[in-house]
Order: sequence, then structure tokens, then C-alpha cells
Amino acid sequence: KAGVTQTPRYLIKTRGQQVTLSCSPISGHRSVSWYQQTPGQGLQFLFEYFSETQRNKGNFPGRFSGRQFSNSRSEMNVSTLELGDSALYLCASSQTGGHNYGYTFGSGTRLTVV
Amino acid sequence: GQQLNQSPQSMFIQEGEDVSMNCTSSSIFNTWLWYKQDPGEGPVLLIALYKAGELTSNGRLTAQFGITRKDSFLNISASIPSDVGIYFCAGANAGGTSYGKLTFGQGTILTVHP
Repeated sequence: KAGVTQTPRYLIKTRGQQVTLSCSPISGHRSVSWYQQTPGQGLQFLFEYFSETQRNKGNFPGRFSGRQFSNSRSEMNVSTLELGDSALYLCASSQTGGHNYGYTFGSGTRLTVV
Repeated sequence: GQQLNQSPQSMFIQEGEDVSMNCTSSSIFNTWLWYKQDPGEGPVLLIALYKAGELTSNGRLTAQFGITRKDSFLNISASIPSDVGIYFCAGANAGGTSYGKLTFGQGTILTVHP
């Protein structure tokens, strides 16, 4: 069974640009969550999608957005990039996004904003 | 909001020693999860706990879900060099504003000297 696949693995962008990251969940998993990991703030929840609907959102500005497709694949977008957006972006999939299932993480996308 | 306090922040041990780390929360969780993260990779699920008081083992790892649902600990017995990494606790709750959301501790950096 293939794991969670995130692309690309590494990305370098310039301030002011926008970026789109992709996440393919484990087959059969319908919930995809996104996290930002930085040395200072640790792992912070961005948002969660289930059946193409955003069900939950963390405390991030509107520059961070996402979507989910009918095959459960998800993308997140960051517009008007800032230096502070440099981070490891992780997605996690689970069967339902409920509390009684484990969440499987991808290897992440390392975004560097210069 | 909910916060998890994980301790210790770092540990330096000799190969063969036992390790113990724990997480406490100001509020309850329905699920506690323990993850290990290697450099440049996403967190990998080690143990999932779904019931207060539950004690679960996975090889040399043992974790417990506290009776109050506000804490959890992870023990590693007879450590080996490949145990090196960052260990995270995470809590999850049911439905509503908790969908797909894990709240993470700050992590415990484990170094094992051969």
C-alpha cells in the first residue's frame, strides 16, 4: 500500500511569489490535513479537507489556502510569500479525520523563501 | 487553545539504557499518539492510544494513556543507535473543530551514544 506522497520535496521561491504544494493520500483515505513545521513554532495545524470540503482550519492568515479533489488528492497554496513562510510543510491522511484513527504523514515539502 | 507540554526537551543516553518521556495537557484528549521524526522526513506513527488507562506496546516501545486523559508517556527499553530522532506526542479529539487536527508537543530530541 503506497504511503502519503508529497510533491515537490524541495522548493525555493522568492518573496511575493506564490506556491502550490501537492499531497496524495493513502488509497481509501478521505481526510487530508496540512501542517507547517518550523524550529520556533513546531508543528502547527493549517487545515483539513474531507470529501472536497474544508472542515477545519487553524490560525493562519488567508494567504494560506487549500483544496481537495474528488480523488482525495489535496493541494495547498501560499500566496504573496514571506520569509517567515520558510518551513517544512507536511500533509497527513486518515480514513475519516476522526480521533479514533491514526494519521499517516508524508515526507513533506521543504519550502525556502528568499 | 490546547497546548501540550512535552519533556524532556532532549536526552543524551548510552546504548542499552531505557528512556522515558511524557506529555501533559491543560485539557483532555480522546486520543494520544506518539510519533518519531528523522531529519528531513515526516513523522512516523509509533503508537496510538484510544482509551484512558490503555497501555500499549510496540516492540521495545511502551506507551500509556493517562487516566485523566490529560497525559501520556512513552518508554523505550534497551535503546539502540537507530532510536536517534525527535519524538513527538500528539493529541486528538472528536469531531467539530477537531476534525483532522492533531495538537503536538514540542518534541524530545533523543541522542544515543554507542
